[in-house]
Amino acid sequence: SQTIHQWPATLVQPVGSPLSLECTVEGTSNPNLYWYRQAAGRGLQLLFYSVGIGQISSEVPQNLSASRPQDRQFILSSKKLLLSDSGFYLCAWSLPGQPQHFGDGTRLSIL
Amino acid sequence: GDSVTQMEGPVTLSEEAFLTINCTYTATGYPSLFWYVQYPGEGLQLLLKATKADDKGSNKGFEATYRKETTSFHLEKGSVQVSDSAVYFCALSEWGGSEKLVFGKGTKLTVNP
Repeated sequence: SQTIHQWPATLVQPVGSPLSLECTVEGTSNPNLYWYRQAAGRGLQLLFYSVGIGQISSEVPQNLSASRPQDRQFILSSKKLLLSDSGFYLCAWSLPGQPQHFGDGTRLSIL
Repeated sequence: GDSVTQMEGPVTLSEEAFLTINCTYTATGYPSLFWYVQYPGEGLQLLLKATKADDKGSNKGFEATYRKETTSFHLEKGSVQVSDSAVYFCALSEWGGSEKLVFGKGTKLTVNP
């Protein structure tokens, strides 16, 4: 069966520090991969999605970037975090035509 | 662009009460519709889905019917339990492509014993 792993589960970072959140999927090949952010009191916002290695589409211009170095690995990064980057970050995967499945999320607090 | 509007919460019910969470959508094509549930501190889980008009999705006692004429996908459950306390998200995905999901803002449900 397919599983999705996100880490870390929680992270506290100072303003201006770099960020790297990792997501990996097991048990499937060539999945679509997604990064979402859920800010306090707001819904989910799609940040990036990828349909293949090295193929990244950005939905919202911001302080973040994403990379897909391997088929089942999706990384969310920032060179310098802002206070507004705080939130709950969710990775998801899907196969074409199928529903998305989400990881357990990373709660990021910026101090 | 596509959008999803769901009733604002929070919703507080007593155990065994009837639940309805309204969801309406705007889409240019023929979307698939979903309800996701998020328990405290966790990621989202797919609750149910419907891929075409008049389809009824169901799971764990929850139901929702894809109504194209009213562009709605309301979530219902006949008798809620304390364990149903969570945030519920309505979402759509356009047919084909990368299956990007467009979410509503979520409705927080609290069920009291």
